[in-house]
Amino acid sequence: LAKTTQPISMDSYEGQEVNITCSHNNIATNDYITWYQQFPSQGPRFIIQGYKTKVTNEVASLFIPADRKSSTLSLPRVSLSDTAVYYCLVGGLGAAGNKLTFGGGTRVLVKP
Amino acid sequence: ETGVTQTPRHLVMGMTNKKSLKCEQHLGHNAMYWYKQSAKKPLELMFVYNFKEQTENNSVPSRFSPECPNSSHLFLHLHTLQPEDSALYLCASSQADREAFFGQGTRLTVV
Repeated sequence: LAKTTQPISMDSYEGQEVNITCSHNNIATNDYITWYQQFPSQGPRFIIQGYKTKVTNEVASLFIPADRKSSTLSLPRVSLSDTAVYYCLVGGLGAAGNKLTFGGGTRVLVKP
Repeated sequence: ETGVTQTPRHLVMGMTNKKSLKCEQHLGHNAMYWYKQSAKKPLELMFVYNFKEQTENNSVPSRFSPECPNSSHLFLHLHTLQPEDSALYLCASSQADREAFFGQGTRLTVV
């Protein structure tokens, strides 16, 4: 399984854009990159998933360079309620790859 | 509401007790997972089931015994637990390796 490395924590202010970069140097050809958000005492919640280039949905954007050895989750105009832990996961499709192993995540604190 | 329901939400049990955690999903997913999350720690994958078959046991002690009677239900049977087993236990389901949907978790306290 591809190992991921993320910053332990980040601070931001309301209204700012937050960018979290995840390194996954040994990503495999069939691996997707998935990001989750977790609030205290709750299960993680899916944010976005991508394979290459750029993916955007109503809550975030995911930027993946051509070599796919890293990815950046971008949260536009954060609010206090975006304070959470954000996890980057890398995994392949199919039963053999779906271990959904979480790393330490990035603790984002949004300040007023 | 994620479509994954866990019961109970909170559980306090003695070290000699036997209890079970239940997880239910009606999302049509074929994979189900148990995770343990201790305070201020990352999620630890415990078990993975694909099409009711266990495909991953992440060196979990035998005092945790999973059961998957069908693709919609997953149980975690607990017996003779230790205080260090106190944690948030999370169940998740997914379709193959697509995004996982998590339940709200069971907050377990072993006394």
